[in-house]
Amino acid sequence: EPEVTQTPSHQVTQMGQEVILRCVPISNHLYFYWYRQILGQKVEFLVSFYNNEISEKSEIFDDQFSVERPDGSNFTLKIRSTKLEDSAMYFCASSIVDTEAFFGQGTRLTVV
Amino acid sequence: AQSVTQPDIHITVSEGASLELRCNYSYGATPYLFWYVQSPGQGLQLLLKYFSGDTLVQGIKGFEAEFKRSQSSFNLRKPSVHWSDAAEYFCAVRGAQKLVFGQGTRLTINP
Repeated sequence: EPEVTQTPSHQVTQMGQEVILRCVPISNHLYFYWYRQILGQKVEFLVSFYNNEISEKSEIFDDQFSVERPDGSNFTLKIRSTKLEDSAMYFCASSIVDTEAFFGQGTRLTVV
Repeated sequence: AQSVTQPDIHITVSEGASLELRCNYSYGATPYLFWYVQSPGQGLQLLLKYFSGDTLVQGIKGFEAEFKRSQSSFNLRKPSVHWSDAAEYFCAVRGAQKLVFGQGTRLTINP
């Protein structure tokens, strides 16, 4: 069964460093998303991406964040200068239509 | 704005007992509703969804949910839980271009 794949599963980075989280969405999907979950809290929407552009973003998704679909298969989330409060589980999701989403296993980001 | 409330943060049931997890939503139009399950250290797996039609929807792993518009609810049920059902359960409503999640309900199963 096709699935969304995220790498790495766990990343530790120093505060102020740039990180790139990688995702391979399901191959025929058109809509792509990033969500995050701070430990013990609810899953929060970050950004949606369709037709090679951001279609919606949350207040969390400030200038420190960016997304890219560099080729036909990858979808990345970049955090330019990480802060301690960026520590969270980051989930990539994709869908054929914009009414549902299939999630990856997540990348646990720890900023020290 | 859309919102989802899961009133129960933590529920404990005995193996073999029935289960109901509550979910209330706020949404102006006909909602698209979902239940996801997250096992420890794992991602979010879609259990079931409601878009329209029959208000009782069946999902994977023996779960079902009932949409009640009058109560703005979408409660998740299972007649008999198994130890492997221990996990975090999230209800979500579809907003514009995104899912809005509830706080989650952690389910513990007693042997």
